[in-house]
Amino acid sequence: DTEVTQTPKHLVMGMTNKKSLKCEQHMGHRAMYWYKQKAKKPPELMFVYSYEKLSINESVPSRFSPECPNSSLLNLHLHALQPEDSALYLCASSQVQYTGTPGGYTFGSGTRLTVV
Amino acid sequence: DAKTTQPTSMDCAEGRAANLPCNHSTISGNEYVYWYRQIHSQGPQYIIHGLKNNETNEMASLIITEDRKSSTLILPHATLRDTAVYYCIVRVLDSSYKLIFGSGTRLLVRP
Repeated sequence: DTEVTQTPKHLVMGMTNKKSLKCEQHMGHRAMYWYKQKAKKPPELMFVYSYEKLSINESVPSRFSPECPNSSLLNLHLHALQPEDSALYLCASSQVQYTGTPGGYTFGSGTRLTVV
Repeated sequence: DAKTTQPTSMDCAEGRAANLPCNHSTISGNEYVYWYRQIHSQGPQYIIHGLKNNETNEMASLIITEDRKSSTLILPHATLRDTAVYYCIVRVLDSSYKLIFGSGTRLLVRP
């Protein structure tokens, strides 16, 4: 299995809703990432998990709450979002880089989120 | 990580080679050059990476200048399916794990 699977593919939520995005990989990668991508812009890094622990939070608002329950799963919990949070949310995984194996990142196809 | 500069857009004819340049004049000795592409409405896809030497795989070739201040991604026989945004990224392989995207080059392959 060489894929990162993201669900759902599309999500529409109201500003008072609570929802979660899910990401799964079975490549044995121990680093996982969340990116946010607005239309016609490059992906922006949000969070990095290494060995199931949060290692980087790029000053993301607390209405986004990541969780890594095990080495294969990564969730992004959403609460009280704003319309400007509408974007494509991408999950990625990679080998742990500092082991000396410079592997690439594998990205999922993303969840297209619309906040109404 | 060093900053990269890429042309905003390029085009090439189907079947011809596509040569995508990238400037990274402030690259450090321990920074790798990575290339990714993003086809419309999909996640970015890893293409190739290198440190000093030229690299080739089944997708593309990466040519890095001797001073490492620039590189070129070569798609030898571009197809319509190669139409995408191509990102050149330089990064250190350390425990920060950060992969930071620049603006990229929008490549259009013409029939």
